[in-house]
Amino acid sequence: TQLLEQSPQFLSIQEGENLTVYCNSSSVFSSLQWYRQEPGEGPVLLVTVVTGGEVKKLKRLTFQFGDARKDSSLHITAAQPGDTGLYLCAGLFSGGYNKLIFGAGTRLAVHP
Amino acid sequence: GAVVSQHPSRVICKSGTSVKIECRSLDFQATTMFWYRQFPKQSLMLMATSNEGSKATYEQGVEKDKFLINHASLTLSTLTVTSAHPEDSSFYICSASFGGLNTGELFFGEGSRLTVL
Repeated sequence: TQLLEQSPQFLSIQEGENLTVYCNSSSVFSSLQWYRQEPGEGPVLLVTVVTGGEVKKLKRLTFQFGDARKDSSLHITAAQPGDTGLYLCAGLFSGGYNKLIFGAGTRLAVHP
Repeated sequence: GAVVSQHPSRVICKSGTSVKIECRSLDFQATTMFWYRQFPKQSLMLMATSNEGSKATYEQGVEKDKFLINHASLTLSTLTVTSAHPEDSSFYICSASFGGLNTGELFFGEGSRLTVL
């Protein structure tokens, strides 16, 4: 059972378009992280959101944590080919001991 | 910033052999290390959590005897895939935290790609 549902799984868009990736769960997370991963490399942390309703911006990327801390979204404005990659959300799960659980990922392709 | 290094980055082995992958935290002491497995075009699946000086905690469905994890020091954890088979071919990624897993305190290695022939 996937604790974190991520959608869409694949996204192919043209340069300049906007997009939103969603991460949903029935569980409450104490924090949620977004990562970006290039082929053959480990994931790189983009942002951590902790407080319900929190919004963080990283240049053209806007991250939001749901009020109930069960969902999050990543919005990219004016996507560029350099944004192409695998975007992963990950929730800090505290069921007994802390561990980071990843969503299925969204594979984004931005075409010039 | 903190760096976590994995070695080897790529390994090819014959079916039935054992392969060891090392994960080192280069500039901090990692009290906890996590091992993930990633199949092509899929996400990271947590295999086990390793605490220095104690036995690893394995996720459901992960065979303890097949994936041996040792965390002998605060800077080194090893994953040994015993009697590897082609279905064990995957991208293995470790991550390390210091002072417990809190917000933003998890660092990932570059990953190790295992191919079993």
